[in-house]
Amino acid sequence: GDSVTQMEGPVTLSEEAFLTINCTYTATGYPSLFWYVQYPGEGLQLLLKATKADDKGSNKGFEATYRKETTSFHLEKGSVQVSDSAVYFCALSDSRGAGSYQLTFGKGTKLSVIP
Amino acid sequence: DTGVSQNPRHKITKRGQNVTFRCDPISEHNRLYWYRQTLGQGPEFLTYFQNEAQLEKSRLLSDRFSAERPKGSFSTLEIQRTEQGDSAMYLCASSKLMGDNNEQFFGPGTRLTVL
Repeated sequence: GDSVTQMEGPVTLSEEAFLTINCTYTATGYPSLFWYVQYPGEGLQLLLKATKADDKGSNKGFEATYRKETTSFHLEKGSVQVSDSAVYFCALSDSRGAGSYQLTFGKGTKLSVIP
Repeated sequence: DTGVSQNPRHKITKRGQNVTFRCDPISEHNRLYWYRQTLGQGPEFLTYFQNEAQLEKSRLLSDRFSAERPKGSFSTLEIQRTEQGDSAMYLCASSKLMGDNNEQFFGPGTRLTVL
């Protein structure tokens, strides 16, 4: 079945540091890929997405590129801020045919940014 | 924009009792999903509806779990004879399926504690 493996945390960075959170996936179809973020005390929010190979999703300074050859969708940000402290989830859904489009999530990576 | 709402936000119950959670999706969304999230894990898919039809329920955790969406609007998730292992966050999400676009919007979740 489909699965997502992401870098284990927690990750602690100083403000303005470069962020990479690794994510790889296994899927039988042609998945869409997502990064969701969960800020403390809040619900899951979609951060960015990519629906086909070589697409780059971007939002709020975060980027991730859909790499079919390496089955990866790593999240990057050039300069993190304290307000980026949250738990980040990589996820996929099968976007072909009449499927359920259910999301399969990784375990999440907790990011803490210190001033 | 009212977003996805879930009630109650917190539920504490004793083992063996039945509990019911409600989800109100974004009004024009025809798909509704239920997920469960345990501590330190990503959300795990349980079931989904397209309008009032429950199209996937094999991932419900046991026959103690059931879900309904009687008029294609709000949905309920019921757990009968709760067990301590049912303690988790129960998340609802909705989406408006248009082609390959499956952006799911999540509610804040219902946190269940079984004593």
